[in-house]
Amino acid sequence: SYELTQPPSVSVSPGQTARITCSGDALPKQYAYWYQQKPGQAPVLVIYKDSERPSGIPERFSGSSSGTTVTLTISGVQAEDEADYYCQSADSSGTVVFGGGTKLTVL
Amino acid sequence: QVQLVQSGAEVKKPGASVKVSCKVSGYTLTELSMHWVRQAPGKGLEWMGGFDPEDGETIYAQKFQGRVTMTEDTSTDTAYMELSSLRSEDTAVYYCAARSSITVKDAFDIWGQGTMVTVSS
Repeated sequence: SYELTQPPSVSVSPGQTARITCSGDALPKQYAYWYQQKPGQAPVLVIYKDSERPSGIPERFSGSSSGTTVTLTISGVQAEDEADYYCQSADSSGTVVFGGGTKLTVL
Repeated sequence: QVQLVQSGAEVKKPGASVKVSCKVSGYTLTELSMHWVRQAPGKGLEWMGGFDPEDGETIYAQKFQGRVTMTEDTSTDTAYMELSSLRSEDTAVYYCAARSSITVKDAFDIWGQGTMVTVSS
């Protein structure tokens, strides 16, 4: 299997744009997925197949992919967006891998 | 509305086994691809394994092979994860997580509430 690398933390002020990256050698060939997890809660899927947004997820959440890096972008960050964010992918055998997680702090 | 409801917290001694259940409502278990993910206190998410509908087999993360067994009872729409030879490092919240459709491909769009398993002598 392979690894996905995320920055441990990102900080932004309310109303600004937060960008969280996830790098992995297999990402040009495999889709990436993003989850938001708040303390004491189960993760919630916010982006699937690199850039698709599930129903009910605010439009300020978007995803993009370029080479070996995928990016979760949160535009107009709100206080309620403060959470841990995890990227995830899967290889051709079905093995799933998660990134180490990024703590988003809203200043 | 699909829901995954997990069994309650467990406290186990080192060397014992634990079996966590995950009951599906709003869907049938056969409509989902069920997986298990754990999270140690203060740590990240760790995939343990799950059902691969493409070949009809359960696949396990290499780290847990030989120690974990995932089963499904379609008559009660309940999935189970049993972890044996427990050690302190297995203390974690265990989640069942499912894929509800091919639209989301390899994502987990439905999660249980989590089950805390504490391994302590």
